[in-house]
Amino acid sequence: RKEVEQDPGPFNVPEGATVAFNCTYSNSASQSFFWYRQDCRKEPKLLMSVYSSGNEDGRFTAQLNRASQYISLLIRDSKLSDSATYLCVAPRAGGFKTIFGAGTRLFVKA
Amino acid sequence: NAGVTQTPKFRVLKTGQSMTLLCAQDMNHEYMYWYRQDPGMGLRLIHYSVGEGTTAKGEVPDGYNVSRLKKQNFLLGLESAAPSQTSVYFCASSKLGNEQFFGPGTRLTVL
Repeated sequence: RKEVEQDPGPFNVPEGATVAFNCTYSNSASQSFFWYRQDCRKEPKLLMSVYSSGNEDGRFTAQLNRASQYISLLIRDSKLSDSATYLCVAPRAGGFKTIFGAGTRLFVKA
Repeated sequence: NAGVTQTPKFRVLKTGQSMTLLCAQDMNHEYMYWYRQDPGMGLRLIHYSVGEGTTAKGEVPDGYNVSRLKKQNFLLGLESAAPSQTSVYFCASSKLGNEQFFGPGTRLTVL
């Protein structure tokens, strides 16, 4: 099992749709998680952190399910500008070394 | 603040040539990282550093060397480039292992 696994997609959704991505991780000791966004041929940028209690930022909601060892990202009211690859990140045991998932591609169409 | 900068942005090498990629950050971050990203794969950690004068191997260190002589700079060297090292290289920095800030990347082609 990969340490961090994501559905590569692509997810093709119309504008205004709600879409959710999951990301499973294998290190049960992981404490902090992140979602990054990467546009084509650009560097990854932090979208949001994932806290134990969940985290919401506008149209984006991140959840952590420790029992099943996955994190999720929900995007409501999708915009064309949300088209990107979304990377989930989990730390290795020891903290500062992180593992990036291969990413889930999202295409939002008019 | 420029954040994280990388030079060069693009480079084409012939097999066996050497080169150094430079990463610089102006955020006073302790941690710095070098990743490579290949199509369909996630970011893979090559080497990292937890402070000036320290370096450590990541997942895919073979064929690369690094140095962190100054806190703000992290250099990645390829001593004898191979076609398998064709990739996009990203440098990142962070404070105490939290959010990582990435540079714009270096696109390297080895012929």
